[in-house]
Amino acid sequence: LAKTTQPISMDSYEGQEVNITCSHNNIATNDYITWYQQFPSQGPRFIIQGYKTKVTNEVASLFIPADRKSSTLSLPRVSLSDTAVYYCLVGLNSGYSTLTFGKGTMLLVSP
Amino acid sequence: DTEVTQTPKHLVMGMTNKKSLKCEQHMGHRAMYWYKQKAKKPPELMFVYSYEKLSINESVPSRFSPECPNSSLLNLHLHALQPEDSALYLCASSQRENTEAFFGQGTRLTVV
Repeated sequence: LAKTTQPISMDSYEGQEVNITCSHNNIATNDYITWYQQFPSQGPRFIIQGYKTKVTNEVASLFIPADRKSSTLSLPRVSLSDTAVYYCLVGLNSGYSTLTFGKGTMLLVSP
Repeated sequence: DTEVTQTPKHLVMGMTNKKSLKCEQHMGHRAMYWYKQKAKKPPELMFVYSYEKLSINESVPSRFSPECPNSSLLNLHLHALQPEDSALYLCASSQRENTEAFFGQGTRLTVV
């Protein structure tokens, strides 16, 4: 399984852009990178998934460099409601490892 | 309908009790999952069902017994649990194994 390393926590202020980086040095050729968000006492929620370069949706962008050994989740103009734990998952799109969670990053957004 | 519904939301049970957690989805997903999450820890995969067959059992103790009666339902039968089994139990489903997963709100289980 590709192991992921994320910062344990990050702080930001409302309106700022937040970038959370995930390191996955032993990512395999077929592995995808997926990010989930989790609020306390709720199930995780899918944010975004990518394989290479850049992926953007209505809530976030995912930047993946050419070597794919890391990825960065970008949240534009965060609000207080973005305070949550963010998980980076790496694995095959057809193998169960994509749903094996690492430690996650606790993002705290302050006024 | 993009919901995964888990019942009950809260459950308190004694160590000699038998209880069941239920999970339901109507998105036509063919993969369903059970996770256990302790406070301030990431979700920990327990079981994966694919096309109603158990495909992954992450060495879970036999006091946890999963069941998938049909493609929309997933149960977790509990028997003779220990206080350390108290946790948030999450159910998830996806179109097939390891595509985007949808999670339920979880069942908060307390074993006394």
